[in-house]
Amino acid sequence: KQEVTQIPAALSVPEGENLVLNCSFTDSAIYNLQWFRQDPGKGLTSLLLIQSSQREQTSGRLNASLDKSSGRSTLYIAASQPGDSATYLCAVEGSARQLTFGSGTQLTVLP
Amino acid sequence: EAGVAQSPRYKIIEKRQSVAFWCNPISGHATLYWYQQILGQGPKLLIQFQNNGVVDDSQLPKDRFSAERLKGVDSTLKIQPAKLEDSAVYLCASSLEVNSPLHFGNGTRLTVT
Repeated sequence: KQEVTQIPAALSVPEGENLVLNCSFTDSAIYNLQWFRQDPGKGLTSLLLIQSSQREQTSGRLNASLDKSSGRSTLYIAASQPGDSATYLCAVEGSARQLTFGSGTQLTVLP
Repeated sequence: EAGVAQSPRYKIIEKRQSVAFWCNPISGHATLYWYQQILGQGPKLLIQFQNNGVVDDSQLPKDRFSAERLKGVDSTLKIQPAKLEDSAVYLCASSLEVNSPLHFGNGTRLTVT
């Protein structure tokens, strides 16, 4: 059974810092990995999707990497802003074509 | 493009009562999902539809939960009877096809007292 772990559970940084969020998964037989953002009281917004054959994806200040063999992904946020404050979730799509989510990292960027 | 619409936004019921949630996916999206998100956890898939057929309902507690997607568009999720542990946010998501990015609604927050 696939398990997804995100560390840390919460992170607080001053504005302007670069930061890295971590995600690990137990079963490397995945189709893709996605990073989502969730604001309080809202649904999830897809940020980046990395296919299993890819190593990384970039969108603006966000860069996500995937190392399937070690079961790890990182989300790098450059020059963080208070508007980046949210919960970030990673999810892997496995052989059953289901998404398994981690519990998320709650990020607070202080002005 | 209009997003995924869900209603109601909030619902408070007593245990053993029944409740229903409604979802209208993005137009043209064939795949529809219902997720349960308990506070502090990631979403857990309850059921996945492809058009009006069920693809996966392996994690749906079928003794109390039911879902349908008539005509392959709107969907309803019902709980009957509700238990305290059903308190959660119920998220609906849709995608163009199985391997496409998911688009989520804002969810329905259910409190069972």
